[in-house]
Amino acid sequence: GENVEQHPSTLSVQEGDSAVIKCTYSDSASNYFPWYKQELGKRPQLIIDIRSNVGEKKDQRIAVTLNKTAKHFSLHITETQPEDSAVYFCAARGEYGNKLVFGAGTILRVKS
Amino acid sequence: GAGVSQSPSNKVTEKGKDVELRCDPISGHTALYWYRQSLGQGLEFLIYFQGNSAPDKSGLPSDRFSAERTGGSVSTLTIQRTQQEDSAVYLCASGLLRVWSEAFFGQGTRLTVV
Repeated sequence: GENVEQHPSTLSVQEGDSAVIKCTYSDSASNYFPWYKQELGKRPQLIIDIRSNVGEKKDQRIAVTLNKTAKHFSLHITETQPEDSAVYFCAARGEYGNKLVFGAGTILRVKS
Repeated sequence: GAGVSQSPSNKVTEKGKDVELRCDPISGHTALYWYRQSLGQGLEFLIYFQGNSAPDKSGLPSDRFSAERTGGSVSTLTIQRTQQEDSAVYLCASGLLRVWSEAFFGQGTRLTVV
């Protein structure tokens, strides 16, 4: 089955700097890669996702890149702000009906 | 309904008692997940219901844990003979059975076993 590894487990950046979180997956058939943000005491919520037929996707300060050959994808947050502090989870899904498999999460701290 | 609803929000139970946690998914969502999240930890997969197919129970930690989904809608996670290590937030998520479909999470049930 699918296995997703996420790095780093914790990340501290200064406000205004960029943050990058990386994930690798094992199933070459995977073709959907969402990212979730979980603020303290809240539920995880989707912030951006990418499909296998796309190499990069941007939404304001957030971007996700996908390298299918290397089986890894990354979340990039530019101009970080204190409200970006949260736990971020990556996930991957393969074929129809397969479950979403999540990475272990990254705790992002943005220091002001 | 606006989103995935879970009840109760909080549950305190005595060690050894059974508990039932409920999840009301978004109407029409045929995929349903249960996860467990201990304090400061990641999302531990428990079980996945995928439409009419047999559920994926590979994440259930022991035979004290079981889940059912009646009529393809509401799901109940049951923990028998609770132990202190069962204390965690139990999250339910639902989605469509499409490859490019996100999962929508409920607010979770915080279970405390004393």
